[in-house]
Amino acid sequence: VTLLEQNPRWRLVPRGQAVNLRCILKNSQYPWMSWYQQDLQKQLQWLFTLRSPGDKEVKSLPGADYLATRVTDTELRLQVANMSQGRTLYCTCSAGLGGNTGQLYFGEGSKLTVL
Amino acid sequence: QQKVQQSPESLTVSEGAMASLNCTFSDGTSNNFRWYRQHSAKGLEVLVSIFSDGEKEEGRFTAHLNRANLHVSLHIREPQPSDSAVYLCAVSRGNNRIFFGDGTQLVVKP
Repeated sequence: VTLLEQNPRWRLVPRGQAVNLRCILKNSQYPWMSWYQQDLQKQLQWLFTLRSPGDKEVKSLPGADYLATRVTDTELRLQVANMSQGRTLYCTCSAGLGGNTGQLYFGEGSKLTVL
Repeated sequence: QQKVQQSPESLTVSEGAMASLNCTFSDGTSNNFRWYRQHSAKGLEVLVSIFSDGEKEEGRFTAHLNRANLHVSLHIREPQPSDSAVYLCAVSRGNNRIFFGDGTQLVVKP
């Protein structure tokens, strides 16, 4: 059983449009949820970690702007906006126990391609 | 900021021969080290987690950690073609901000 479900798995994004991604946690035992971004064949980069419903954070990086929201104990969202034309980006979520040890689990990722 | 570097960038081994991957990190207070692999268009698969100096084995995968040398390695015993993937080293203090290396592309030839 997959612990984390991401949707959509793939989206073509018209230039100038924002896209909303969801990450659904199947077991609320792992409350620390995070987003990562990864360009094609490049390094996976941490974006946000949000613990509690209502938490929000924003970040601007070269090539895209991000807004993350912890909606509920089991749902994390990411809005990606202002993506560079022609870019392909993977966004992956994770869930973990927090603290110094314990396992981290990752979703299968969402692939975004800007037209 | 933590820097995590992996070597080699790519590695080709024959089926059954040991594969060894290396990872160096810059923050000596790091206490949380994981190896993942990523098959193309799929999610990250955890292989082994290690939190103290020494060795940790999970099936055919063994991690060695030497924090004094800022080094963690992964050894894959009897690799198979299905082990061909990108292997990622992840380093953190705690679980909440994790730094990844650029990855090593492993190809296992039959």
